[in-house]
Amino acid sequence: DGGITQSPKYLFRKEGQNVTLSCEQNLNHDAMYWYRQDPGQGLRLIYYSQIVNDFQKGDIAEGYSVSREKKESFPLTVTSAQKNPTAFYLCASSPGRTANTEAFFGQGTRLTVV
Amino acid sequence: LAKTTQPISMDSYEGQEVNITCSHNNIATNDYITWYQQFPSQGPRFIIQGYKTKVTNEVASLFIPADRKSSTLSLPRVSLSDTAVYYCLVVSGSARQLTFGSGTQLTVLP
Repeated sequence: DGGITQSPKYLFRKEGQNVTLSCEQNLNHDAMYWYRQDPGQGLRLIYYSQIVNDFQKGDIAEGYSVSREKKESFPLTVTSAQKNPTAFYLCASSPGRTANTEAFFGQGTRLTVV
Repeated sequence: LAKTTQPISMDSYEGQEVNITCSHNNIATNDYITWYQQFPSQGPRFIIQGYKTKVTNEVASLFIPADRKSSTLSLPRVSLSDTAVYYCLVVSGSARQLTFGSGTQLTVLP
């Protein structure tokens, strides 16, 4: 059953702690993306990767880090440098070779700082 | 990257046709226009994509004029379950960023 999986669905973090959100896909897609969504707002791009071992900053990369060691995995670490990390985080993947393809999204991780 | 502008919100009634227009004045030659739908607390879902003229699938139609500076998503005979946020994206073949705007909140009323 192909798709993109995010875990966990809900995550609680104490202030000052780093936390890593998982994103795995078995669609054999080259490109993967991380977004942040705040209540009532659109999606903002954090990082994206078009190929293994390469990734680019999006619009709001400060306080976040990623790695792309495997094609199917693109974990996002929310560091203590991120001042307001409470948000809904979405991961997506796409074939990535051309513009005329669709992206597939995971179900999201809701992060709450307590 | 082409910036998109779309209405913040729209209301409609069940059974009506809904048209949501998006402007993208600086669209580039190799860019595609793509629309996504998002329900609360879920990831967006692809609806339709086009390059020019008209594209139709089982859920929507996409109209793109010759100058490609705008596009219109048409949802025929909407139902209450079509209440969602609809995003228009211009996807660049070169940059491959997927940049979402604020979207249009469509509310379908009974």
